[in-house]
Amino acid sequence: AQSVAQPEDQVNVAEGNPLTVKCTYSVSGNPYLFWYVQYPNRGLQFLLKYITGDNLVKGSYGFEAEFNKSQTSFHLKKPSALVSDSALYFCAVRERGYSTLTFGKGTMLLVSP
Amino acid sequence: DAGVIQSPRHEVTEMGQEVTLRCKPISGHNSLFWYRQTMMRGLELLIYFNNNVPIDDSGMPEDRFSAKMPNASFSTLKIQPSEPRDSAVYFCASSPTGNGYTFGSGTRLTVV
Repeated sequence: AQSVAQPEDQVNVAEGNPLTVKCTYSVSGNPYLFWYVQYPNRGLQFLLKYITGDNLVKGSYGFEAEFNKSQTSFHLKKPSALVSDSALYFCAVRERGYSTLTFGKGTMLLVSP
Repeated sequence: DAGVIQSPRHEVTEMGQEVTLRCKPISGHNSLFWYRQTMMRGLELLIYFNNNVPIDDSGMPEDRFSAKMPNASFSTLKIQPSEPRDSAVYFCASSPTGNGYTFGSGTRLTVV
């Protein structure tokens, strides 16, 4: 079975500071990993994904994520946070051979001015 | 492309009434997913279709819930009879390959 954990319900960071939103996963084989963002009253929007290759993945809006197989992690990062980055962030995993994504419970990111 | 289109955006209904949620996936996407989002349980996969055929409905909470996909451009999720605990945001998503999903804006259902 595939599962995802986002250990933090909320992350607070000041504008201009670096941010990290944590994600760990559990799969039997090799994973496909995703980050999505949800703004209020909107659907989830795709940010980035890891399929294979370089462990550092770059995505939309300056976000990036690092795949760490030994730690089974896929943390989302951004060097300099913006107030407009405040939103709900979801990590998701799909194990190769499975057909559906499993989402974490989400982490609320609050960036203060 | 207009993306995944869901209707209605908001639905308020009385307990016991039938509710039908609608979804139009992106043209050419052969997989369609229905998710439910609540504060307590996060995002839950209810059912998914591949090429209009239901593949996994193990997430459908009860027999009160049913979903159909009569053709490649339309799907419905029906709750009959509805209960207050069904109140949630229901999302439809579609995908061409199963890797990246495109989500609709959701239907916020309130059952009073």
